[in-house]
Amino acid sequence: DTAVSQTPKYLVTQMGNDKSIKCEQNLGHDTMYWYKQDSKKFLKIMFSYNNKELIINETVPNRFSPKSPDKAHLNLHINSLELGDSAVYFCASSQWRTNTDTQYFGPGTRLTVL
Amino acid sequence: DQQVKQNSPSLSVQEGRISILNCDYTNSMFDYFLWYKKYPAEGPTFLISISSIKDKNEDGRFTVFLNKSAKHLSLHIVPSQPGDSAVYFCAASANAGNMLTFGGGTRLMVKP
Repeated sequence: DTAVSQTPKYLVTQMGNDKSIKCEQNLGHDTMYWYKQDSKKFLKIMFSYNNKELIINETVPNRFSPKSPDKAHLNLHINSLELGDSAVYFCASSQWRTNTDTQYFGPGTRLTVL
Repeated sequence: DQQVKQNSPSLSVQEGRISILNCDYTNSMFDYFLWYKKYPAEGPTFLISISSIKDKNEDGRFTVFLNKSAKHLSLHIVPSQPGDSAVYFCAASANAGNMLTFGGGTRLMVKP
């Protein structure tokens, strides 16, 4: 059983297109995240949702819009894709405000914008 | 401005020996630290963590040491095994907001 899953695993698209990445967790967590790993391999937080509400939004362009239909899902929609959006995007989940901030990650989605 | 730094991009160790991965941080508000292990084409996997109220946490072959005064933590793997070859990320949080700040990673290669 995959704890945190993402689809698709690979996404190749043209500049200017709109695309979505889906994330689902079956851990019963109430908080989900999106991270971006750039070409320099740094993992940076983009968004965090707790109980479907946005709690962290780290200077991400408006073209990126997360959507959380329920606690188990956090999808990422990207409008007007740019070359610089090429990266690996990781979804993660955790239980909010426990003493441990352990986040569990999905396998990643490699986005390539041509 | 990197608040969490892993200054060694790579480390090579012989099987059976100790691997020591280092991490430095600058934000004194960080009170919880984690190590993640990442294989190619997979997501980071949680390895071990430590709260700022402790200076050591051990789990099997993995031990994390925290030196708050130096704002430094390290991960010790003893004995190292070829399957430990991966990229190791150090991460920290200030507990308010559950936001993790990651270091740039260290690639560990354990040679048989």
